[in-house]
Amino acid sequence: DAKTTQPPSMDCAEGRAANLPCNHSTISGNEYVYWYRQIHSQGPQYIIHGLKNNETNEMASLIITEDRKSSTLILPHATLRDTAVYYCIVTSSGTATDSWGKLQFGAGTQVVVTP
Amino acid sequence: NAGVTQTPKFRILKIGQSMTLQCTQDMNHNYMYWYRQDPGMGLKLIYYSVGAGITDKGEVPNGYNVSRSTTEDFPLRLELAAPSQTSVYFCASSYSQVIRDFGPGTRLTVT
Repeated sequence: DAKTTQPPSMDCAEGRAANLPCNHSTISGNEYVYWYRQIHSQGPQYIIHGLKNNETNEMASLIITEDRKSSTLILPHATLRDTAVYYCIVTSSGTATDSWGKLQFGAGTQVVVTP
Repeated sequence: NAGVTQTPKFRILKIGQSMTLQCTQDMNHNYMYWYRQDPGMGLKLIYYSVGAGITDKGEVPNGYNVSRSTTEDFPLRLELAAPSQTSVYFCASSYSQVIRDFGPGTRLTVT
């Protein structure tokens, strides 16, 4: 699975958009980009995932560059409850089901939303 | 649905003791996973299961054992606990490649 690079931390003002970058320059054609977050001491929370098209759901938007070597998670209107560690993970969907869900979590980006 | 539940929430073990961390899901998911998270670090996969009766090792399986006799339950067994196993343990389940459901975690201290 491709490795990812994220900034260790970033601050965001409440109500503003938070743009979280992720570099995955060694991504291969069948690998998806996943984003999770972890609020202090809680279990990880799934946010969004994509292959090559931009994706949007009720939580966030995922923008993947055309060459797929980097992506940005966008939280459109950050709130204090969005303070968390955000993980960008790249993993193969696999042709065999025994590769599903085998996520490799790195250190992530600590996002602090301030009033 | 209760989702993924884990017991206990907290536990302190002495070196050499054994214990079982319980994980149950009520969503009829075939896939279940155990992760550990050391302080300030990301999660690492210990074991996973693709269905009842089928388990396999993840990234850090040493010192642990699992079983999957039912779809709902995926217990993690620690034999001969060591200080290096002090960690937070998360169980997860999924019906597809996307894991959307994690448990609340079990915080284990081995002294």
